[in-house]
Amino acid sequence: DAGVTQSPTHLIKTRGQQVTLRCSPISGHKSVSWYQQVLGQGPQFIFQYYEKEERGRGNFPDRFSARQFPNYSSELNVNALLLGDSALYLCASSLRLTGSDPYNEQFFGPGTRLTVL
Amino acid sequence: AQTVTQSQPEMSVQEAETVTLSCTYDTSESDYYLFWYKQPPSRQMILVIRQEAYKQQNATENRFSVNFQKAAKSFSLKISDSQLGDAAMYFCAYDMNYGGSQGNLIFGKGTKLSVKP
Repeated sequence: DAGVTQSPTHLIKTRGQQVTLRCSPISGHKSVSWYQQVLGQGPQFIFQYYEKEERGRGNFPDRFSARQFPNYSSELNVNALLLGDSALYLCASSLRLTGSDPYNEQFFGPGTRLTVL
Repeated sequence: AQTVTQSQPEMSVQEAETVTLSCTYDTSESDYYLFWYKQPPSRQMILVIRQEAYKQQNATENRFSVNFQKAAKSFSLKISDSQLGDAAMYFCAYDMNYGGSQGNLIFGKGTKLSVKP
């Protein structure tokens, strides 16, 4: 079975441009989360979507937005790119939003490496 | 706000030996999850082990085990019989289980583990 896939693998943009990153969850998974991982740091939570609705948002500016489609794939958009947006963007999918036991495990994709020049 | 701290930026272990990675966290919640994730140079984040806060028994997964000290808010990972394939970045992470929502993982900054042959 295919895991979480992300496209593109690498991306180079210049300051002020806009970028769209894509994520396809594992088949049957309805929840998608996005994380930003700056070099040398741990991932930081950006968004969580479930059933096409935003269910969680991290401490990121409004330049960051996302959406989830009927097939549960997701896009992350970043407008007016800054140098500080250079990072690895990770997508993670899970079967559902809630659950206690077993834990609703998140499965991560390989990420998209964004470089802003 | 919840925080996760990993005080060891880098660790090294001899093949077949045992190594312990440290993690402390801060939360006012009583019900939560703790994780150790592994991120090899290929970038794909992989779940190593999970601990439910309500369980007193420490989690184990083959060569990986944790020492969970809830009162001290400490969560260390022990890797026994270290193998070359264990070399990676290891991230400690926290997920609250408040209101039934899961998926907003909070990560530490990571520990880079090297394994010497």
